[in-house]
Amino acid sequence: GNSVTQMEGPVTLSEEAFLTINCTYTATGYPSLFWYVQYPGEGLQLLLKATKADDKGSNKGFEATYRKETTSFHLEKGSVQVSDSAVYFCALTPSNTGNQFYFGTGTSLTVIP
Amino acid sequence: DTEVTQTPKHLVMGMTNKKSLKCEQHMGHRAMYWYKQKAKKPPELMFVYSYEKLSINESVPSRFSPECPNSSLLNLHLHALQPEDSALYLCASSGRSWGVYEQYFGPGTRLTVT
Repeated sequence: GNSVTQMEGPVTLSEEAFLTINCTYTATGYPSLFWYVQYPGEGLQLLLKATKADDKGSNKGFEATYRKETTSFHLEKGSVQVSDSAVYFCALTPSNTGNQFYFGTGTSLTVIP
Repeated sequence: DTEVTQTPKHLVMGMTNKKSLKCEQHMGHRAMYWYKQKAKKPPELMFVYSYEKLSINESVPSRFSPECPNSSLLNLHLHALQPEDSALYLCASSGRSWGVYEQYFGPGTRLTVT
C-alpha cells in the first residue's frame, strides 16, 4: 500500500541552525512527493514537490531530494528562522491516480531566537 | 492563482443546530476534498468529490453531509454534532499542473461544538 513515515517531533532549534526532517515512503510505482507547511491557525501550504527520482524540490530556502533507492524525501534548510516555526507534513500521491493523497503524521518545529 | 477559500473562519454551534461550511476554488480543479484535523495531527480524509460526484466517503457519520453544487463549490452540512466533532475542517482541491497532481488547501474553518 501507500504510506508516509516522518520523524517524531517536536523539534526545537536555535535560529540559524541546520534543519533536517526525515521522511520515508512506501508506494507502488513512481509517486509524486510533497512537503506541506502549516503555520498556527492556518491551512496546509504546499512548500515544495518532486515528481521523479533525483528531482530536487526547493522553495523559501527549503530543499528535498527524491531518493528512490532509499525511498526518502528528507526536508532540509541551511539556516532556520523564528518564522519557520510550524508543523511540516510529508505527503505523496501515487502515480496511477490523481485524487488520493497520503500524509505523514507531521513534525512540529519550534525555532528559538 | 492557487487559492481555496473557506467560510466561515470560525463557527460555534450547539448540538441541536444545523450549519454549513462552504468552500470555493477557481483553479479548474475537478477533485475537491473535506478533511478533519485535530491539533498537531495530520488531516483525516472525510470525503472526496471527483467531477462533482462523491467518490470517497471515509465512513463518516451521517451528521456530516457533503454537497458539490458545481465544479467550483463544495459544502459540508452539519447537523446534531457532538463535542468530539470540534476540530479544524479543511477543504482542498487537486488538479494537474505540468503533469503532476497537486493538492491545495483552504485556511480552514475552526468548529467548536458546545
